[in-house]
Amino acid sequence: ETGVTQTPRHLVMGMTNKKSLKCEQHLGHNAMYWYKQSAKKPLELMFVYSLEERVENNSVPSRFSPECPNSSHLFLHLHTLQPEDSALYLCASSQREPSTGELFFGEGSRLTVL
Amino acid sequence: SQQGEEDPQALSIQEGENATMNCSYKTSINNLQWYRQNSGRGLVHLILIRSNEREKHSGRLRVTLDTSKKSSSLLITASRAADTASYFCATVGGGSNYKLTFGKGTLLTVNP
Repeated sequence: ETGVTQTPRHLVMGMTNKKSLKCEQHLGHNAMYWYKQSAKKPLELMFVYSLEERVENNSVPSRFSPECPNSSHLFLHLHTLQPEDSALYLCASSQREPSTGELFFGEGSRLTVL
Repeated sequence: SQQGEEDPQALSIQEGENATMNCSYKTSINNLQWYRQNSGRGLVHLILIRSNEREKHSGRLRVTLDTSKKSSSLLITASRAADTASYFCATVGGGSNYKLTFGKGTLLTVNP
């Protein structure tokens, strides 16, 4: 139990489907993050929300759409994905900016795009 | 471009031995962080060392930081089979306080 919960843990979708990944943090943190982890590549920062405002958008294709309705919840809406989008998607939260403090990660959502 | 880069990419040792992993980075930092990831799971924060610190300990972990060489090392003493995991260093850079960038990691295997 990490304090950051991601659902679903596994997701298989076709290229024309629309699905969403959900992240919930129970730590009272102010910032939430989406990272993508593909095989043989470093973790890629996708989006950062601080106090529900998007503060980082790392040139992510528009088929990925984040939503942060409040400081405890973060969604990643998926639409018209490509097979190369198959990866482990990790959500994280932090009390402070990572320039001063650490991130707390969820267990990830393993996405397979057929 | 990637900020932190770990070395070696893979390390295999026997239980009880020490494991040392290195990290190099490119730009100035406020802090450097080490994380651990068991296969297919989320990352767990291990230790944070600030730019004005040279060494930090936490249990069997010892981290050093050399800002003049832009490098850090993570030492795990008396390793156990349960230490088998990937280890990542991470730094903030690129003009953003939120952009925590990770290296590709070192895969540590501790054989019983």
